[in-house]
Parts: sequence; C-alpha cells; structure tokens
Amino acid sequence: KQEVTQIPAALSVPEGENLVLNCSFTDSAIYNLQWFRQDPGKGLTSLLLIQSSQREQTSGRLNASLDKSSGRSTLYIAASQPGDSATYLCAVYQGAQKLVFGQGTRLTINP
Amino acid sequence: DAGVIQSPRHEVTEMGQEVTLRCKPISGHNSLFWYRQTMMRGLELLIYFNNNVPIDDSGMPEDRFSAKMPNASFSTLKIQPSEPRDSAVYFCASSSGGQGVGPLHFGNGTRLTVT
Repeated sequence: KQEVTQIPAALSVPEGENLVLNCSFTDSAIYNLQWFRQDPGKGLTSLLLIQSSQREQTSGRLNASLDKSSGRSTLYIAASQPGDSATYLCAVYQGAQKLVFGQGTRLTINP
Repeated sequence: DAGVIQSPRHEVTEMGQEVTLRCKPISGHNSLFWYRQTMMRGLELLIYFNNNVPIDDSGMPEDRFSAKMPNASFSTLKIQPSEPRDSAVYFCASSSGGQGVGPLHFGNGTRLTVT
C-alpha cells in the first residue's frame, strides 16, 4: 500500500528566504507526482506535475524534483513571499489509478 | 474555464437525513473523482469515474454512500442516512487523459456538518 509522507508538518520562515518542502513515498511504481497548494477554506490548486520519466519541473519561483528510485520529491520555493503561505500537499498516482496524498506541510511566511 | 463547480458550499443536516452533493467537472475532462478531507485522515479518495463509468469505488466507506455520473457534465455523491462521523469537506476533482496523465483540478468543496 502506497504511503506518502511530508516533512515537516509545519514550517515558518521570514519573507525572502528560499525553502524546501519534502515528500517521500514508499512505492516507486508511480505514473506521476503532483504538488498542490491549499488555502484555508478552499480547494486544492495544482502547482506542478512531474511525469515518472521526468526529474524536475519549474514554474516561476517553484521547482519540483523527483527521484523515483529513492521515493522522494522536493518542492523548492525561491524568494518566499507572504502570499505563499498555505498548505502544500504532494500526491502520487500509483498503479491502481489512485492519487495518494501526503498530510501536507503548513507553510507560513512572515513579513 | 469556470473550473470544477460544486454545490452546495456548506450543508448542515441532522443525523439520519439524506444528503446530496453535486459536481460539474471541467468541460472536456473525462475523469472525475470524489474525495473527502478530514483533519484526522487527510484527503481520501472515495470513488473515481472514467468516461462516466465508475472505475474504483473501494474508498466508499459503506453502503450509505453512493455516487452517480449520469453524463459527462454532472455527478452526485449521496449519503443516506447521514451520520455525525460523515462530517467533512467533500471535494470533487476532474482531469483529462485518463488516470495519472493530466493534472487534477479541484472544486472548492462542500463542507458537510451532520449534527
């Protein structure tokens, strides 16, 4: 059974810092990995999708990497801003057509 | 693109009542998912449709839960009878290209409270 773990559960940093969020998964047989952002009271917004054949994806200040063999992904946020404050979730598509989510990292960027 | 549309946004009901949640996926998407989110269990997949056909309903907690997708633009999740432990935020999501291909797009959810 696929298990997705995100560390840390919560993170608070001052504005302007670069930061890394971590995601690990137990079964490397995945189709892709997706990073989402969730604001309070809202649904999830897709940030980046990495196919299993790719190693990284970039969008603006965000960069996500994928290492299938070690079962790890990281989300790098450059020059963090208060508007980046949200919960970030990673999720993997495993062979059974299910998207399995981690519990998320609650990120706070302090002005 | 209006995104995935869910209704109602909030639902408060008494134990034993029937609850129906509604979802309109993004036009052209052929996969639809129902998720439930709680503090204790995080996001859980309840059921997944592909081309209006239920593919995997193993996440549906019990027979009180049922889901339908009568056409490509509409799906319902019904709970009958509802119980307090069903209180959660229920999300609908859609994607294109089949499982694991396209990014998943979520609605804003329905917050269900069963008293």
